[in-house]
Amino acid sequence: EVQLVQSGAEVKKPGESLKISCQASGNTFTTYWVGWVRQMPGKGLEWMGTIYPRDSDTRYSPSFQGQVTISADTSINTAYLQWSSLKASDTAIYYCARRRGINSPFDLWGQGTMVTVSS
Amino acid sequence: EIGLTQSPGTLSLSPGGRATLSCRASQSVSYYYLAWYQQKPGQAPRLLIYGASRRATGIPDRFSGSGSGTDFTLTISRLEPEDFAVYYCQQYGSSPFTFGPGTKVDIK
Repeated sequence: EVQLVQSGAEVKKPGESLKISCQASGNTFTTYWVGWVRQMPGKGLEWMGTIYPRDSDTRYSPSFQGQVTISADTSINTAYLQWSSLKASDTAIYYCARRRGINSPFDLWGQGTMVTVSS
Repeated sequence: EIGLTQSPGTLSLSPGGRATLSCRASQSVSYYYLAWYQQKPGQAPRLLIYGASRRATGIPDRFSGSGSGTDFTLTISRLEPEDFAVYYCQQYGSSPFTFGPGTKVDIK
C-alpha cells in the first residue's frame, strides 16, 4: 500500500529558506503526479502545483508561480516544496497528494507539514 | 481560472438526517472532472467522489455525487456521527485546479 510521508513541522523566521519533503513508499513513484496543497490557518484548500517525477514536468498555479519551487528525486521517491525567502503569510499546513494521471483527482494525501514563519 | 462556490457555508443537521451540499462553477467543468473531499479537524483531506459521481475506494454508499456542467451536488443520505466534517469540491479538468471554499456539516 502506497503512503505519502511528509517531513516534520518547521518554525522559521521571515527571509529564511526552507525545503519540505514528501516521501512515497512503494516502487510506483514515477508513475503518478505529486501535487502540493496549502491550507492557511482556519482556511480552505489551495492547489499550488504538481510535478510528474519521471520527467520533472511541473505545473504551477499562477498564484504560486515564482513564489515556490517544486522538485522531485526519483532515486529516493521524494517530492519537495521549497521557498527561498519565507514570509509570515507562508504560515500554513502544506499537504502533498497523489494524482494517478494528469486528469485525476488527489486520491492519496500525506499527513501535512505545518510551517510557521514568525519573527 | 474556474471559480467554485459552495453552499451553504454551514449545514446543521442531526445524525440520521440527509445532507445536500452544492458546488457551482463559474464555467463548465470539463468531462465531469469534479471531486469531493472530506476533511476532519487535524486530518488531511480524503477523496470521497471523483468524476462527479464515482465513489472512491472504500467510501460508503450513503455518499453520492451528481451534476454536470456548472452545478454539482454531494448528498449524504443518512448522516453518521463520523460524517460531521468540512466538505470541499474541486475541479481538476482545467489548470489551476481550484477548490471551493468548503461546507461545514455540523451537529444540530
